[in-house]
Amino acid sequence: DAGITQSPRHKVTETGTPVTLRCHQTENHRYMYWYRQDPGHGLRLIHYSYGVKDTDKGEVSDGYSVSRSKTEDFLLTLESATSSQTSVYFCAIRSDSLNTEAFFGQGTRLTVV
Amino acid sequence: KNEVEQSPQNLTAQEGEFITINCSYSVGISALHWLQQHPGGGIVSLFMLSSGKKKHGRLIATINIQEKHSSLHITASHPRDSAVYICAVNRNTGNQFYFGTGTSLTVIP
Repeated sequence: DAGITQSPRHKVTETGTPVTLRCHQTENHRYMYWYRQDPGHGLRLIHYSYGVKDTDKGEVSDGYSVSRSKTEDFLLTLESATSSQTSVYFCAIRSDSLNTEAFFGQGTRLTVV
Repeated sequence: KNEVEQSPQNLTAQEGEFITINCSYSVGISALHWLQQHPGGGIVSLFMLSSGKKKHGRLIATINIQEKHSSLHITASHPRDSAVYICAVNRNTGNQFYFGTGTSLTVIP
């Protein structure tokens, strides 16, 4: 299995609080992605990174920020959590080579109450 | 309209049946992926295709680039195949993946 771990795996938080999810990889892959998965929508890209300190927005980036200060860690922050951000969040990694597989973390189930 | 469409959305089969899940896409791609997600579980990559056909055990994936269509076949289905199967594509521009909404498969003993 590819070395990718997400933490925490489950979190319940209150509306208005900041939340940070962590994705850690041991594969030295260049690309890292954060997705959210909601019923009827499939996986939607929040942000992705193509290198240390290099990030770009996805289709559902509002209310989220990311940081990548080291190759192995990609952090997703909900600046002020809202109930609409209740979701399952997946991190994925991909190497620099063209047409390579993506490897996914186990997911983080976040509930905002 | 989503760039990647899957059918059917839901599928129930008897153990032993041959199963086909379809994926159509509307953009130019460099590769297509089939992913598997068990209930409450993570996402696992089954296949990556850019042409032709690949086989792994009872799973077979095919792609027709001209028709922008791929199929995932499961032979001799088993209850442990029950999962959501997701089609995803790499566009031939950019670094992102685009996902279908998944096909939920239930195999009944």
